[in-house]
Amino acid sequence: DGGITQSPKYLFRKEGQNVTLSCEQNLNHDAMYWYRQDPGQGLRLIYYSQIVNDFQKGDIAEGYSVSREKKESFPLTVTSAQKNPTAFYLCASSISGGGAYNEQFFGPGTRLTVL
Amino acid sequence: GQQVMQIPQYQHVQEGEDFTTYCNSSTTLSNIQWYKQRPGGHPVFLIQLVKSGEVKKQKRLTFQFGEAKKNSSLHITATQTTDVGTYFCAGRDTGGFKTIFGAGTRLFVKA
Repeated sequence: DGGITQSPKYLFRKEGQNVTLSCEQNLNHDAMYWYRQDPGQGLRLIYYSQIVNDFQKGDIAEGYSVSREKKESFPLTVTSAQKNPTAFYLCASSISGGGAYNEQFFGPGTRLTVL
Repeated sequence: GQQVMQIPQYQHVQEGEDFTTYCNSSTTLSNIQWYKQRPGGHPVFLIQLVKSGEVKKQKRLTFQFGEAKKNSSLHITATQTTDVGTYFCAGRDTGGFKTIFGAGTRLFVKA
């Protein structure tokens, strides 16, 4: 059963703590992405990775970090430097970053609340 | 940098009425994608348009890509309650890699 999974679905953390959000895909996709969505807002790109062992900052990378050590996995760490971390985090993947067709498949998301 | 503007932000319709959302880019796009996000869910890919002036249909949904490849629209004919959700356009800049999402149009359908 192919797809992209994120865990956990809901996450609560105290202010000042780092937290890591999991994203795994078994679609054999090269490219992976992290987005942040705030209530009533669109999707803002945090980080993206076109290939394993490589990643680039998106539009709102400050206070976040990622790694891409395996093709299937692209974890996101929300650090204590992120000023307003409470949001809905979505991970996505696509066959490749380039090319004419690059539809993105999204995971179910993780709703992070910082208390 | 590249910006993708989407209007309207919200639209309330009576079931059976038509609905249209518009997407405009500040730069020429290599392609435009449309996604639907149901309340509480995650975005799901609907379609991708690549060619200038392209029109594609999916049942009651009609997607258009402008001649200049800087704007696009999604039109739903005779809305149903199942159409409820937020519709996002997402455009990729020519020569670029990043896909930029519009803010979305949230559709409410009253039965």
